[in-house]
Formats: sequence, C-alpha cells, structure tokens
Amino acid sequence: DGGITQSPKYLFRKEGQNVTLSCEQNLNHDAMYWYRQDPGQGLRLIYYSQIVNDFQKGDIAEGYSVSREKKESFPLTVTSAQKNPTAFYLCASSMELAAYNEQFFGPGTRLTVL
Amino acid sequence: QKEVEQNSGPLSVPEGAIASLNCTYSDRGSQSFFWYRQYSGKSPELIMFIYSNGDKEDGRFTAQLNKASQYVSLLIRDSQPSDSATYLCAVNPITGGGNKLTFGTGTQLKVEL
Repeated sequence: DGGITQSPKYLFRKEGQNVTLSCEQNLNHDAMYWYRQDPGQGLRLIYYSQIVNDFQKGDIAEGYSVSREKKESFPLTVTSAQKNPTAFYLCASSMELAAYNEQFFGPGTRLTVL
Repeated sequence: QKEVEQNSGPLSVPEGAIASLNCTYSDRGSQSFFWYRQYSGKSPELIMFIYSNGDKEDGRFTAQLNKASQYVSLLIRDSQPSDSATYLCAVNPITGGGNKLTFGTGTQLKVEL
C-alpha cells in the first residue's frame, strides 16, 4: 500500500531533551512538509523540502531541525530550544513543489513534554 | 487580518440537510484551494480541491470558488452523521510560490440525527 507513515504515534519528552520524529513515504513524491497543530488552531508550517539534500524554513522553524538524505524520508528533530513543543505533528507530501499539487498527510505524532 | 478565515462553529445541521462551510482569504493572487476533513485526534484527509472560478462537484461534495470576492465554500449534500468532523480550508498564496499551504483554523460540523 502506498502512503505516508509516521512514528511513533505518541511521544513523551522530558524538558531539555531532543527528540526525532520519523516520516516515511512510498508515494514517490518529491516534496515533503512538516506541520504543527495546536488545539483550536490551524496547521502551521515548520519546514519543507522539494528535493533530496535541500530544505527550507517554514513559518515556525525555530527550535526544530530536519534532514532530507533520502527521497522517502524527512525526519524532524524537536530540540531543547523549542520552548513549547507539546503539539500534534503532521508530515505531508506532494508530487512536486508546484501550485496545483495536493498534499497528503501521514497519521501524525502527538508529542507531550513532561 | 488572518490570511485564511473560517467560522469555528460548531455548525449543526440535521441528517439529510445541506451543510455549507465558508472560507475567506486575504491574498488576492492565491491560485489553488483545498478542503480537508479532520476527525478528532486524526490527521487531515483531502476531500476537494478547486483552482478555477465556479463550482466543482464530487459526489455529495461541491466546492465553490469566487476569486473576485476571495471566497471559497464547501457544500455537503445529504449530510450524514459520519460527516461530523472539522473541515479545514487551505489556500496556496501567491506570496512565496510553490505548494506552501496556509490553513484556516477549521469549522466544526455536527450532523444530528
């Protein structure tokens, strides 16, 4: 089955720790995205990547880092510099970074800081 | 002014009725418009997209776009309890280009028996 997988589904972090969220897709999509969703708010873009070894900051990149070493994978690291990391994190992909291509979402990772 | 605005609701409609969900956007040059459905605790699911002025129909769903008024809507005919969810409007603004979407905060729809 083609799709986007994210792991883990739930993640708990102690303050001061870095954690990495996994995102893998087998749709052969070129572009991948990371969003954050807080209760009662829309999705906010953290980082996006059009091709391997290239990525760009979104609207709220501070305290996050990413890598794109393979087309299928776009992991997100939430660093200790992110002051309020508790949120629902969503990974998405699309065929290419063009205006008319739909984005499809993975199931999400819910991160809680203890 | 928010870039993409939606009434948070909840919007309550009886089963079998038409649900009308509305979205306005601020960037006049926006090119593409998407509606996502999100069940509680789940990720968004794409249900409709529209690029040209007018109506686009897909089963019980109709998306309507009016670029002059900067307005996009989603109509759900014969609403079912399974349609109860939050509906997110997403817009691809011309600023910055590419496929970066700006999302509204969503409208909660409740379909009552």
